[in-house]
Amino acid sequence: GAVVSQHPSWVICKSGTSVKIECRSLDFQATTMFWYRQFPKQSLMLMATSNEGSKATYEQGVEKDKFLINHASLTLSTLTVTSAHPEDSSFYICSARDGGDHYEQYFGPGTRLTVT
Amino acid sequence: GQNIDQPTEMTATEGAIVQINCTYQTSGFNGLFWYQQHAGEAPTFLSYNVLDGLEEKGRFSSFLSRSKGYSYLLLKELQMKDSASYLCAVMDSNYQLIWGAGTKLIIKP
Repeated sequence: GAVVSQHPSWVICKSGTSVKIECRSLDFQATTMFWYRQFPKQSLMLMATSNEGSKATYEQGVEKDKFLINHASLTLSTLTVTSAHPEDSSFYICSARDGGDHYEQYFGPGTRLTVT
Repeated sequence: GQNIDQPTEMTATEGAIVQINCTYQTSGFNGLFWYQQHAGEAPTFLSYNVLDGLEEKGRFSSFLSRSKGYSYLLLKELQMKDSASYLCAVMDSNYQLIWGAGTKLIIKP
């Protein structure tokens, strides 16, 4: 149990375009979802925390207008990278936590974004 | 501020034992996690410690001392597939995970 999927697993887009990444909890209801970014040889950087039905809480330094997060249902959250630039190229990982479980986060497989 | 420290890189021999240390300073404590991450993949859960002491799970064990702000991950009978990064993360008082930079473990035959 506790499976999280992400789609797409990798994407290449041109500079200036927008890309949407989906994160789904397949067998549990995720009241909280987290979006991380990871640059090569670096650790995970939390971008934002989203609770179902409310606005996401962004970490300091993360532009909310550039990284749009929607958590419209208990099983789906989306991250849209708007007007992507080459410096946005990174590994984006989502994780989810169910309502009754405070501690464990279940990670999706990640999405590799390359902006050309 | 909040801080998690772990070595950047370690090298060990196949079949041997290696201990990866993690020290932390956080605002509140709701447990410490160890994750394994292979290159290009998402992290996978290894262990969770919230009380002092040693938790053993097969070849992997994790130890916690809350008074010292210290944990270690012990890997026994190392296999080549154990080559990966090992991430230490602490859950703070807001149930947010604070991540260390990860320790890259290189296993040599």
